[in-house]
Amino acid sequence: DAGVIQSPRHEVTEMGQEVTLRCKPISGHNSLFWYRQTMMRGLELLIYFNNNVPIDDSGMPEDRFSAKMPNASFSTLKIQPSEPRDSAVYFCASQGQGVSNQPQHFGDGTRLSIL
Amino acid sequence: AQSVTQLDSHVSVSEGTPVLLRCNYSSSYSPSLFWYVQHPNKGLQLLLKYTSAATLVKGINGFEAEFKKSETSFHLTKPSAHMSDAAEYFCVVSDPSTGGSYIPTFGRGTSLIVHP
Repeated sequence: DAGVIQSPRHEVTEMGQEVTLRCKPISGHNSLFWYRQTMMRGLELLIYFNNNVPIDDSGMPEDRFSAKMPNASFSTLKIQPSEPRDSAVYFCASQGQGVSNQPQHFGDGTRLSIL
Repeated sequence: AQSVTQLDSHVSVSEGTPVLLRCNYSSSYSPSLFWYVQHPNKGLQLLLKYTSAATLVKGINGFEAEFKKSETSFHLTKPSAHMSDAAEYFCVVSDPSTGGSYIPTFGRGTSLIVHP
């Protein structure tokens, strides 16, 4: 089991640039979550997909953020244009479906720094 | 509606002494409850979960938690702390939303500090 794979692990870019974060969920999992973690706000849910369909994007901070899941094995989170306040660690998590509640499995995150 | 409160933002213990991390929850359903651990520069890792089976749940690394419905609590304990236990710990509650999916709510986290 390879676990949830995120790339890149670190990203440093200048404000105004487009940033794309990538996630490969665990095979067979049908739910995928994007989170942002900062010291000030803690862990925030940005968007949630079920069977590749966005179910809840109420946590997406503004129109500069967008997320896609074109198939069951890949998702992207895009920020365009990026701003210094977007600096954070971004996590992807996947979850299987079953009769009982399944735990989430997290990637190691992408540490994003916007200069 | 669901919510979770971790009562301590920081807990400091000496190596070899017991650990208690406190968590209270609120849920309109029979909840599923989880504890996760996050070491520096890593993602969150599942420690244990409660899903309406035994009320005392054993997890990895010697941790356990007890579900107490009357107190709406799910405190995390360990008899003897190790230096490697120093990390951030998250309590999580999850309800079934419409469609049968579970969207979790995370606590703010408790930072466990272990002194030699």
